[in-house]
Amino acid sequence: DIQMTQSPSSLSASVGDRVTITCRASQGISNSLAWYQQKPGKAPKVLLYAASRLESGVPSRFSGSGSGSEYTLTISSLQPEDFATYYCQQYHITPPYTFGQGTKLEI
Amino acid sequence: EVQLVESGGGLVKPGGSLRLSCAASGFTLSKFGMNWVRQAPGKGLEWVASISDSATDIDYADSVKGRFSISRDTGKNLVDLQMNTLRAEDTAVYYCARDSSSFTNWFDPWGQGTLVIVSS
Repeated sequence: DIQMTQSPSSLSASVGDRVTITCRASQGISNSLAWYQQKPGKAPKVLLYAASRLESGVPSRFSGSGSGSEYTLTISSLQPEDFATYYCQQYHITPPYTFGQGTKLEI
Repeated sequence: EVQLVESGGGLVKPGGSLRLSCAASGFTLSKFGMNWVRQAPGKGLEWVASISDSATDIDYADSVKGRFSISRDTGKNLVDLQMNTLRAEDTAVYYCARDSSSFTNWFDPWGQGTLVIVSS
């Protein structure tokens, strides 16, 4: 099974900051990576897929990059509504579909 | 509008059974793979089970294999998760999620979730 390791597990930042979250796979996943945002009490929502492709309707301040086994999610200028928990998910070799453990982004 | 609505959660004793349903609307169920993902209180996301668009491929996480069963009824637009021999560690919000397309396997959209509590 492919293991996904996200870092950091939590992050404190301010409105306007640029933040980066990293996701490492236990083997190469050929850009088969999605990023989700989850707010308390809500279902996850996809932000990016194929490592760097922005889902329709997602603000352009969100971006993704990476290759092989290492990927990053960057928020260029944090907005108040961005404070949430973020998860990566690999879909290169399944089953199982594996998620990172999450990164809680706090004010 | 594509929508997924889960139901069937509740309080059940250890060793008991529960059947969750996911009502799908706004798309043709037979054209998409469907998934169940759970989230224990305060924890991260864990994939539980998947059924392919043709229903010929069904997969389970090791943690539920032999206890849970996923099925679908295209006539009723329902995807079910039968959960048997429940354990305390199965306590979680269970989400139904659709494959993003016929060819891609990230999950979009998700339902709102249904809470399962396994406790005596």
